[in-house]
Amino acid sequence: DGGITQSPKYLFRKEGQNVTLSCEQNLNHDAMYWYRQDPGQGLRLIYYSQIVNDFQKGDIAEGYSVSREKKESFPLTVTSAQKNPTAFYLCASSPYTIGKRVEAFFGQGTRLTVV
Amino acid sequence: AQKITQTQPGMFVQEKEAVTLDCTYDTSDPSYGLFWYKQPSSGEMIFLIYQGSYDQQNATEGRYSLNFQKARKSANLVISASQLGDSAMYFCAMRETDSNYQLIWGAGTKLIIKP
Repeated sequence: DGGITQSPKYLFRKEGQNVTLSCEQNLNHDAMYWYRQDPGQGLRLIYYSQIVNDFQKGDIAEGYSVSREKKESFPLTVTSAQKNPTAFYLCASSPYTIGKRVEAFFGQGTRLTVV
Repeated sequence: AQKITQTQPGMFVQEKEAVTLDCTYDTSDPSYGLFWYKQPSSGEMIFLIYQGSYDQQNATEGRYSLNFQKARKSANLVISASQLGDSAMYFCAMRETDSNYQLIWGAGTKLIIKP
């Protein structure tokens, strides 16, 4: 089945640690995105990538880093510079085509908690 | 200024009744797309319905329909004959021409269906 896989589902981080969230898709989509969701709020864009080896900062990129070495994979690293990383993280992908009728497909999310 | 506004933080609706979730948007781009997503408690985002700014008719997908009033810049989601499984967060989102195909999200409405 085609889809987006995020792992792990739950992740605990100690203060000062870097952690990496995995996102893999087999939909052959060009574009991939990372969003952060805080309780009771909408999604905020962290980073996005439209093509391999290229990515752009979203609205809240500080304290995060990404890579896009393969089309299928877009891992997110939450660094120790991110002072309030406890949140729900969603990865998404979409075809990069002209036109608006291009919905994003989402993974199941990773819930990150600082302990 | 908020680009997507969902004015109802939460709603209670009796099972089998119809429900309307409000969404207003702000854009100067004549070409844009509007999306509604459902987020159950499990966390994944599920695409429900899409409306393009040039579409002549209101979008419908099964029990979901979109009441699109372009002059008022509103795109309300209507769910007919609500079911217990409709209980979830609902998000309105917009994609503009110049947004590199990113989605701009509203804060969401929490819908609870009462038996």
